Amino acid sequence: DAMVIQNPRYQVTQFGKPVTLSCSQTLNHNVMYWYQQKSSQAPKLLFHYYDKDFNNEADTPDNFQSRRPNTSFCFLDIRSPGLGDAAMYLCATSEVAGETQYFGPGTRLLVL
Amino acid sequence: SQQGEEDPQALSIQEGENATMNCSYKTSINNLQWYRQNSGRGLVHLILIRSNEREKHSGRLRVTLDTSKKSSSLLITASRAADTASYFCATESNFGNEKLTFGTGTRLTIIP
Repeated sequence: DAMVIQNPRYQVTQFGKPVTLSCSQTLNHNVMYWYQQKSSQAPKLLFHYYDKDFNNEADTPDNFQSRRPNTSFCFLDIRSPGLGDAAMYLCATSEVAGETQYFGPGTRLLVL
Repeated sequence: SQQGEEDPQALSIQEGENATMNCSYKTSINNLQWYRQNSGRGLVHLILIRSNEREKHSGRLRVTLDTSKKSSSLLITASRAADTASYFCATESNFGNEKLTFGTGTRLTIIP
């Protein structure tokens, strides 16, 4: 089945230790999104790619970077995780920007 | 600030009853979408309604949109225990910025 896959499902890192979260999709969608969601809050968009065009949200900290080497894969790099970066990180795709989004199961990040 | 605000924040009803959740937003939109999120999981798309539509149905779901009041409602009829989840509205503004802005969510609990 076509889907959005996120690995790992749970990630533990140490304060200040770089970490990379992965997302892959078999939907062949042009648009990919990364969201941060903290407990009992709405997902907050960090950035998105329209094909290879990168779009960063104005309030996304510089500590967060992303790479999209090809259509199928997208990575979220957190260069120096702080305790406040502990959250669920959600990857999503859409065939048409602004239309239906398909989400992965998320990666829950814990920062010690 | 977030585009959407949802009401109520939490709702508990008996199985078999109908559940209604409301969403208000601030700017003109192209479409409004509803998503469900089970605890600790990714979001699942439920329904999309465009700005020129007033009502849409999908199975036990009924969505209305009132662009004059900048509001939408999601009705789940004949609720089931499996409907227990958080429900988010999300809007695509008509600025053409290719992204969704999520509301604060309603936590729905169905009591068996």
